[in-house]
Amino acid sequence: QSVLTQPPSVSAAPGQKVTISCSGSSSNIGNNYVSWYQQLPGTAPKLLIYENNKRPSGIPDRFSGSKSGTSATLGITGLQTGDEADYYCGTWDSSLSAGGVFGGGTKLTVL
Amino acid sequence: EVQLVESGGVVVQPGGSLRLSCAASGFTFDDYTMHWVRQAPGKGLEWVSLISWDGGSTYYADSVKGRFTISRDNSKNSLYLQMNSLRTEDTALYYCAKDPSPTVTTITLDYWGQGTLVTVSS
Repeated sequence: QSVLTQPPSVSAAPGQKVTISCSGSSSNIGNNYVSWYQQLPGTAPKLLIYENNKRPSGIPDRFSGSKSGTSATLGITGLQTGDEADYYCGTWDSSLSAGGVFGGGTKLTVL
Repeated sequence: EVQLVESGGVVVQPGGSLRLSCAASGFTFDDYTMHWVRQAPGKGLEWVSLISWDGGSTYYADSVKGRFTISRDNSKNSLYLQMNSLRTEDTALYYCAKDPSPTVTTITLDYWGQGTLVTVSS
């Protein structure tokens, strides 16, 4: 069971908007930056969002991130079939077992 | 162009040992924290370990603590993961990843390798 909780799946039609939630606690999301990753089938993960809401160069502004308290959200607008992938949130956990943690992943289906 | 190339994944028996390597190029290796992340077949990502730019700080997931050791050789632009007392649940694709964050306690993995497969089976 993952330290960060994500919905197993979300779906929406092309052109629509979808949000993916990531819930944690004060030892992780509540006091550390959150990053988001996209993993297309058969490929390595790709950084989409870092430090809660910043996009690396080359990531379109259709992708956005936000954080409030102990939860974070990834938003994707103007959905495309190419966005079908698994999405993961990640952060640092400052508890006694300090280290990185990921959410369980969310499978996005573009209907 | 940043490149991370993992190697060393094989089939190994439970209780065995293995050393993974990650060859880095296209960036100043000794400026950055590096991570190992694994993914069991059909499962999600699991963070495994990190090492600071100079090797002075290391962290491990509880699931591998005491069994795995991360290290780096900045003169060879290489990252390593020594894996001992392997268990069937260590079977996974192991990725190395680069972290541009100025502190080790921020997870931002901006470049990933393609992974090397470790299978622990009798």
